Amino acid sequence: QVQLQESGPGLVKPSETLSLTCTVSGASITNNYWSWIRQPPGKGLEWIGQIYYGGSTVYNPSLNGRVTISVDTSKSLFSLNLNSVTAADTAVYYCARGNWPLGDWFDPWGQGTLVTVSS
Amino acid sequence: QSALTQPASVSGSPGQAITISCTGTSSDIGAYNYVSWYQQHPGKAPKVLIYDVSSRPSGISNRFSGSKSGNTASLTISGLQAEDEAYYYCSSYTGTVIFGGGTKLTVL
Repeated sequence: QVQLQESGPGLVKPSETLSLTCTVSGASITNNYWSWIRQPPGKGLEWIGQIYYGGSTVYNPSLNGRVTISVDTSKSLFSLNLNSVTAADTAVYYCARGNWPLGDWFDPWGQGTLVTVSS
Repeated sequence: QSALTQPASVSGSPGQAITISCTGTSSDIGAYNYVSWYQQHPGKAPKVLIYDVSSRPSGISNRFSGSKSGNTASLTISGLQAEDEAYYYCSSYTGTVIFGGGTKLTVL
């Protein structure tokens, strides 16, 4: 059974960098796509970006280059860095596995972690 | 890239069938057969119901079905049950991935 678990600070100051990690168990991190998706409180889903285990990435252009996703195959985890955050980046952040052939549908998902941007 | 357009809410009675629409453009839904649908209960992570327009992952009830015509995709839930009350989101591949704004389904 594949399980994903997000971890990281729940509070980040404006203008700083939001950093989250997603630990994968029950599946190889290789030969898969891995994505980050967020959901502001009371709002809909927004895809942030994805990484393939070989390191190739695709990001949501609306985030204006503030995103970096990386993978550590030795630790079976992948990470999200979002810099220059503002209150608009407050959201529940989910990690998820993207499925073949394009990584465009997501299963399973992590439980999500709330990150609040506030001073 | 704009979000896909979904109705804010739909409702139905137990046993009935309902359909949720998801409208995009010729650059997303109209261009690819890569539409998926998710169900989200309050406080929970989304769960995939449909992928590649009309395919169901293992373990998903055949009460859930998907289709597409032109730039609009649809999710149909038949034999509505109380536990189907949730938010539903569509998504489409565009080179990246975009989601719809979500639809709240109320079971009367």
